[in-house]
Amino acid sequence: NAGVTQTPKFQVLKTGQSMTLQCAQDMNHNSMYWYRQDPGMGLRLIYYSASEGTTDKGEVPNGYNVSRLNKREFSLRLESAAPSQTSVYFCASSESGGSNQPQHFGDGTRLSIL
Amino acid sequence: QKEVEQNSGPLSVPEGAIASLNCTYSDRGSQSFFWYRQYSGKSPELIMFIYSNGDKEDGRFTAQLNKASQYVSLLIRDSQPSDSATYLCAVGSGGYNKLIFGAGTRLAVHP
Repeated sequence: NAGVTQTPKFQVLKTGQSMTLQCAQDMNHNSMYWYRQDPGMGLRLIYYSASEGTTDKGEVPNGYNVSRLNKREFSLRLESAAPSQTSVYFCASSESGGSNQPQHFGDGTRLSIL
Repeated sequence: QKEVEQNSGPLSVPEGAIASLNCTYSDRGSQSFFWYRQYSGKSPELIMFIYSNGDKEDGRFTAQLNKASQYVSLLIRDSQPSDSATYLCAVGSGGYNKLIFGAGTRLAVHP
């Protein structure tokens, strides 16, 4: 049982390039999330999808777009990468959108923007 | 701005001792509280959650919640070097399970 799978695990981009981070979960969860983690700042929510067909902005959405492709997959796109987007990106999922549901994380994508 | 505060540490404890990790939060309406463990270079791993005031025990871990004082703590009994990690406190805030994370407390257990 893989849980939450993220690809790629590492990526180096040049400023202005675009890329899409992929996330898939096999736990039949309804809700999915994208976070970034920077040193000393904890995890910050970029976007989330409460259920298939819906997406909403989180705390730091600028410079990102998302697509909930189906119930399993939730992708994050950087249209024009900037050095400030150098970070570790985590995808997570939870059974439902209720506030008492724990979230389960993928292994992360380490992204460097030069 | 809803906030979750943790002491960054490092909290250094000897092997076999009790490690006490604390977290305070600003939103009085918060209803769910989670502790995650994160080893260096790895992803957060859920270890405990608590919803009601009081204590909740799971093996060597005890979560304590005091909503009146807006704090939640994690006790680790018989600490082991393998417990050395960063511990993230997360608070459920908002209607769609949006968690607010603290920056984490680094725990170092020395032999």
